[in-house]
Amino acid sequence: DGGITQSPKYLFRKEGQNVTLSCEQNLNHDAMYWYRQDPGQGLRLIYYSQIVNDFQKGDIAEGYSVSREKKESFPLTVTSAQKNPTAFYLCASRGRPTGELFFGEGSRLTVL
Amino acid sequence: EDQVTQSPEALRLQEGESSSLNCSYTVSGLRGLFWYRQDPGKGPEFLFTLYSAGEEKEKERLKATLTKKESFLHITAPKPEDSATYLCAVQAVESNYQLIWGAGTKLIIKP
Repeated sequence: DGGITQSPKYLFRKEGQNVTLSCEQNLNHDAMYWYRQDPGQGLRLIYYSQIVNDFQKGDIAEGYSVSREKKESFPLTVTSAQKNPTAFYLCASRGRPTGELFFGEGSRLTVL
Repeated sequence: EDQVTQSPEALRLQEGESSSLNCSYTVSGLRGLFWYRQDPGKGPEFLFTLYSAGEEKEKERLKATLTKKESFLHITAPKPEDSATYLCAVQAVESNYQLIWGAGTKLIIKP
């Protein structure tokens, strides 16, 4: 089945640690996105990539980093510089610029 | 500033009691409006895209409509399995294809 796979589903981090969230898609989509979701707020864009080896900052990129070495993969690293990293993280892809987004199941990060 | 507002924040209905969710938007030019459904702890699931005022789309008990300032998601005779958070997002003409999201409406259908 085609889709987006995020892992891990749950992740706990100690303060000062970097963690990497995985996102893999087999939809053959060029564009991939990382969003952060907090209670009572709309989805906020962290980073996006429209093509391999290229990515752009979204609205809340500080404290995060990404890479796009392969079309299928778009991992997100939450660094120790992110002051409030506890959140639900969603990865998505899109086949054409005006098309709908396809989302993964999400990764919930909790900082202890 | 481009903005999307959803109302109400939460809505409790009895099974079979029809109602509507609202998504109002202010953008310089609308390229498309998207509705998604999100179950707890899951990623959003695409429902509809609307592109121009007057357009309507239906899927089972759901019907989405669009005007120049807002969209409605009408739910007819809902069932408990329709309980979810419904998200609205807008793509503006001058947005480099990025989406502006509303905070969602949490719908609870009681049997």
